[in-house]
Amino acid sequence: QVQLQGSGPGLVGPSETLSLTCAVSGYSINIAYCWGWIRQPPGGGLEWIGSSCYDGPIFYNPSLKSRLTMSVDTSQNQFSLDLRSVTAADTAVYYCARTSRGLGSYTDYWDQGTLVTVSS
Amino acid sequence: QSVLTQPPSVSAAPGQRVTISCSGSSSNIGVQGVSWYQQLPGTPPKLLIYETNKRPSGIPDRFSGSKSGTSATLGITGLQTGDEADYYCGTWDTRLNTIIFGGGTKLTVL
Repeated sequence: QVQLQGSGPGLVGPSETLSLTCAVSGYSINIAYCWGWIRQPPGGGLEWIGSSCYDGPIFYNPSLKSRLTMSVDTSQNQFSLDLRSVTAADTAVYYCARTSRGLGSYTDYWDQGTLVTVSS
Repeated sequence: QSVLTQPPSVSAAPGQRVTISCSGSSSNIGVQGVSWYQQLPGTPPKLLIYETNKRPSGIPDRFSGSKSGTSATLGITGLQTGDEADYYCGTWDTRLNTIIFGGGTKLTVL
């Protein structure tokens, strides 16, 4: 059974860096699929942030790319997100997720989500 | 403003059938598979349909997906009160090189 568990601080100050990590169990992230992040502001819709695929490529949402770094640690079977210079607009529930490589990029596994609030 | 357009809300009575539309373009729905997600309050989205018309294991056949040109449709038959949720469509956009989602549709079972 594939399980994802995201972790990170629930409160980040304006202009600081939001850092999240997602630990994966039940599947090795270097076998297949893409592993990444999707966020949802309070009362809002879904926004894809980016994905790192098992065969190397990393895809970023162009609207966030200049502030975004994603990395993968296959030895720990986990992946991470750093979003720099955050503002209140980055307040959201952040989901880590598994997404298909191609085939319309459907997302079949999600964690429970981490609410991150940007506030001083 | 979402690249994929969904109606903000739909409603129907228990036992009835409802459809939710998702309108896109030739760079996304027109050339890519479409997925659909159900999100109950306070929970992560759940995959209902992938590759336009396939159901993951455990998803009842009351849920179906289809596509015509640059639009996709989610159909739900035999509506139950437990189907009240937000529904999102999603796909890959080949021009933007991003995963995109619709703005979501709130389903009310009257």
